[in-house]
Amino acid sequence: AQTVTQSQPEMSVQEAETVTLSCTYDTSESDYYLFWYKQPPSRQMILVIRQEAYKQQNATENRFSVNFQKAAKSFSLKISDSQLGDAAMYFCAYRIFDNYGQNFVFGPGTRLSVLP
Amino acid sequence: EPEVTQTPSHQVTQMGQEVILRCVPISNHLYFYWYRQILGQKVEFLVSFYNNEISEKSEIFDDQFSVERPDGSNFTLKIRSTKLEDSAMYFCASITGGPTDTQYFGPGTRLTVL
Repeated sequence: AQTVTQSQPEMSVQEAETVTLSCTYDTSESDYYLFWYKQPPSRQMILVIRQEAYKQQNATENRFSVNFQKAAKSFSLKISDSQLGDAAMYFCAYRIFDNYGQNFVFGPGTRLSVLP
Repeated sequence: EPEVTQTPSHQVTQMGQEVILRCVPISNHLYFYWYRQILGQKVEFLVSFYNNEISEKSEIFDDQFSVERPDGSNFTLKIRSTKLEDSAMYFCASITGGPTDTQYFGPGTRLTVL
């Protein structure tokens, strides 16, 4: 079964500090993409960062970076210099290509609180 | 920047009634998706749609659900006879289908079944 696990249901971080959200996944596919989505209280899902599995270099997007360990099937998100606006639910997801097109699998989410 | 839109933002209905949730995907996108999120729980895949037909569906997407792209722009999710457990946020998403694409999500419709 294809699954995504986020072992931290809740995390908190002080403003301006760094926090790492963990994600592990299980797939037998070799070609896939990994994503972190942010869902603020407004409930809209917003893409934070994306990683192609064939790329060894970790993706970085401003204050957001990932630690992608393909052999361990781990894909953690690091948020540097945390801001109050980073408070949200964060979902890890991966996308595979199957015979019918594409499919996304989401993890259960981690609720991040940012403390002033 | 183009975006996925959804209407209504909030729908309240009585159990057993039919509801139609509407989505307008980004215009050049080819794959369309519906997801649901029960309050406090994870985002769950319902169905994907490509080339005017369902390409994949989850076990949640039973005979009470149907999808349609009636006019080439709207993408609808119909629930024929709503149940209390259908109360959730329903998200529409779309993607062009290329290998480096990312899903763009709509803002969601909150469905409340009384």
